[in-house]
Amino acid sequence: EDQVTQSPEALRLQEGESSSLNCSYTVSGLRGLFWYRQDPGKGPEFLFTLYSAGEEKEKERLKATLTKKESFLHITAPKPEDSATYLCAVRSTGNQFYFGTGTSLTVIP
Amino acid sequence: DAGVIQSPRHEVTEMGQEVTLRCKPISGHNSLFWYRQTMMRGLELLIYFNNNVPIDDSGMPEDRFSAKMPNASFSTLKIQPSEPRDSAVYFCASSLDRGEVGELFFGEGSRLTVL
Repeated sequence: EDQVTQSPEALRLQEGESSSLNCSYTVSGLRGLFWYRQDPGKGPEFLFTLYSAGEEKEKERLKATLTKKESFLHITAPKPEDSATYLCAVRSTGNQFYFGTGTSLTVIP
Repeated sequence: DAGVIQSPRHEVTEMGQEVTLRCKPISGHNSLFWYRQTMMRGLELLIYFNNNVPIDDSGMPEDRFSAKMPNASFSTLKIQPSEPRDSAVYFCASSLDRGEVGELFFGEGSRLTVL
């Protein structure tokens, strides 16, 4: 069964304190792994797509990496505006998107 | 460019009433997804359409839920009769799938409260 697990559930960081979020997955044929950001009361907003192990993508203070079993979202020197829930999703050969339950990030000034 | 448009944004109804949620995907996108989000279960895939055809509805909770996509620019999710446990935020998302799979673009969601 396709499954996505994210950890930790919640993370509190001081401004400037770098850290990583984890997304581990089991899927019958990975067609893509996606990272999203969700702010309260909003729909998820697309951040990155990773297609194969070893691939990396960067955007401002965020960097996503992918291995055969997991993905990491590295946050370098976070700012309070980076506070949000970060969601990981996988797309299988069946074309469904399966989401993890997310990591709620709070960055304290 | 207009994103995915959902209506209504908020709906409060009483148990037993019919609820219809509406979605207009991004023009040109060929896949449409309906999700339900709750604190306990996160984002759950309800149904997935490709080129207006339902491909996978295994996530639809029960016969009270139905979804249609009569054309490429409109989809509905209907709950009849509604129950308090249906209270959640319902998201519609669309994507353009070509050689590589495209990312999902989400609407702002429809928050449903069933009393």
